[in-house]
Amino acid sequence: EDKVVQSPLSLVVHEGDTVTLNCSYEVTNFRSLLWYKQEKKAPTFLFMLTSSGIEKKSGRLSSILDKKELFSILNITATQTGDSAIYLCAVEEQGAQKLVFGQGTRLTINP
Amino acid sequence: DGGITQSPKYLFRKEGQNVTLSCEQNLNHDAMYWYRQDPGQGLRLIYYSQIVNDFQKGDIAEGYSVSREKKESFPLTVTSAQKNPTAFYLCASSTQDLYEQYFGPGTRLTVT
Repeated sequence: EDKVVQSPLSLVVHEGDTVTLNCSYEVTNFRSLLWYKQEKKAPTFLFMLTSSGIEKKSGRLSSILDKKELFSILNITATQTGDSAIYLCAVEEQGAQKLVFGQGTRLTINP
Repeated sequence: DGGITQSPKYLFRKEGQNVTLSCEQNLNHDAMYWYRQDPGQGLRLIYYSQIVNDFQKGDIAEGYSVSREKKESFPLTVTSAQKNPTAFYLCASSTQDLYEQYFGPGTRLTVT
């Protein structure tokens, strides 16, 4: 059974700190890994990763995939209160036409 | 404005009643999905549809039913057979490439 596990489940830091969120996965035929941010209701797309070792970057957020060790990390530098959200990791399997989501990491940034 | 709409935002029902959640998209996406989210948990797939008049069960389909009569619409019925229906329900759509799913604002269902 395909599995996606995120850690930590919850994280509280101070504004300005740097955080690293983890996502490990077990799928039979990996195609892509996606990161989403969910602030209040609808998750919004952050990154899609398909190749190992290539960092994707968007402002203070970056992500990288390790297909040998089967994990991805999402880094947020110089955190702001607006980064407070649930961060979801999802994996797509070849030909499956669906995503398998992890439990999410609830990130809280205190001023 | 292109996007996905879900209605209503909040829904209250008595135990034993069926209830239908609406999901409409005008993104011309072929694929549509229904997820359930419980507190402290990620998204769990209920049903998905790749094309009109066809749909597949997800990981937690028991107690739910769907239809896909039109490309734009993918309603979800929560039946009385669903043992624990109180949850936040999210609808999503994507192209056949899947990699970027667009989500609706969700419906919070409370059954008492």
